[in-house]
Amino acid sequence: NAGVTQTPKFQVLKTGQSMTLQCAQDMNHEYMSWYRQDPGMGLRLIHYSVGAGITDQGEVPNGYNVSRSTTEDFPLRLLSAAPSQTSVYFCASSRTGPNQPQHFGDGTRLSIL
Amino acid sequence: GENVEQHPSTLSVQEGDSAVIKCTYSDSASNYFPWYKQELGKRPQLIIDIRSNVGEKKDQRIAVTLNKTAKHFSLHITETQPEDSAVYFCAAGTNAGKSTFGDGTTLTVKP
Repeated sequence: NAGVTQTPKFQVLKTGQSMTLQCAQDMNHEYMSWYRQDPGMGLRLIHYSVGAGITDQGEVPNGYNVSRSTTEDFPLRLLSAAPSQTSVYFCASSRTGPNQPQHFGDGTRLSIL
Repeated sequence: GENVEQHPSTLSVQEGDSAVIKCTYSDSASNYFPWYKQELGKRPQLIIDIRSNVGEKKDQRIAVTLNKTAKHFSLHITETQPEDSAVYFCAAGTNAGKSTFGDGTTLTVKP
């Protein structure tokens, strides 16, 4: 099993550009989530999904969209990139929900100029 | 919503000493309390977890204690080694919805 795979690993964008961060898991996990990690601020939840077709907002959802058309994939879309979205983004999955261990991807380092 | 506070933000110990990191949570519905270790430039990885029906759990040099009444839980690392140096995160989760993380503790073990 590859676990949780995130692409790309690094990306530089200009303000106003849009892009999609990809996340895929091969563990048949129902629960998937996106976090951003900024220095000294831990992991903040952006969006999460409890299963295919179901998504909900986390702590910091503004400026981001998600969809969950399959169990395996959970892409994160930046609609119009802003410098404040410069961060490291982690995707994670767990078997059924937030009361199970989360498996993280390797992260995407995103810089917005 | 849930609020998780983690202390201290940095911790420096001598090799062989013990390290303790503490977290408090606010939502009494939280029932799952994992700890993650993140080495520099790497992904967070689960090192130990505890559920609300258990007061203590141990795995070799690592232990976690939970006080549901006071809404706090702690990570204890004994006989620390240089490879224990990392950022440690606590989290609180419920049966559905969200997992909330603490801000992290940077542990440095000096040889």
